[in-house]
Amino acid sequence: DIVMTQSPDSLAVSLGERATINCRSSQSILYNSNNKNYLVWYQQKPGQPPKVLISWASTRESGVPERFSGSGSGTDFSLTITSLQAEDVAVYYCQQYFTNPTFGGGTKVEIK
Amino acid sequence: EVHLVESGGDLVQPGRSLRLSCAASGFTFGDYALNWVRQAPGKGLEWLGVIRGKAYDGTTEYATSVKGRFTISRDDSNSRVYLHMNDLKTEDTAFYYCTRDWAPAGGTFGDYWGQGTLVSVSS
Repeated sequence: DIVMTQSPDSLAVSLGERATINCRSSQSILYNSNNKNYLVWYQQKPGQPPKVLISWASTRESGVPERFSGSGSGTDFSLTITSLQAEDVAVYYCQQYFTNPTFGGGTKVEIK
Repeated sequence: EVHLVESGGDLVQPGRSLRLSCAASGFTFGDYALNWVRQAPGKGLEWLGVIRGKAYDGTTEYATSVKGRFTISRDDSNSRVYLHMNDLKTEDTAFYYCTRDWAPAGGTFGDYWGQGTLVSVSS
């Protein structure tokens, strides 16, 4: 199985500041034939199921605010929230789908 | 609008079996793969398995951790997917979510999730 490692485990950021979450896969999840990275980012708020924010490492889902962006390729990826809002307090997970899906351990984002 | 509603969660003793159900609506059920994902209270997410749509003969894939103990089935006539769990262990205690897979062939990510159902395994 591909192991997904997220860092940090938790992050406290002031309102309006930038938050960056990292995700590393134990092997490349870039499919060379289509040049796509098989990585998705979810946001999970307390008491709710996860919600897809970004797929294919950098494609923002419809309705997701532009302050959320995904980047990276191969084995190293990031989710950036450019101007943290109060409603962004949540746990964020990365997940690869290059092989049978596996998730990162999650990063809890709080307000400083 | 896509809806997934899980049911069947319960408090059960170790070694017993349980069947979870997920009722779907708002999309052409037979065309989609469905996943089961679980989350122990306060912990991370774990993919359990997928059942593909009719174009892929409803074939299944499972996580190594549950292969042989858990089985996924579907009833396209009633738009339901099931998770059959045998020989339950205390470490199976979790919220269980069904998700619609983005791809008909499955194995990608859940673009829609249910609210989950809680399974507690304890003596």
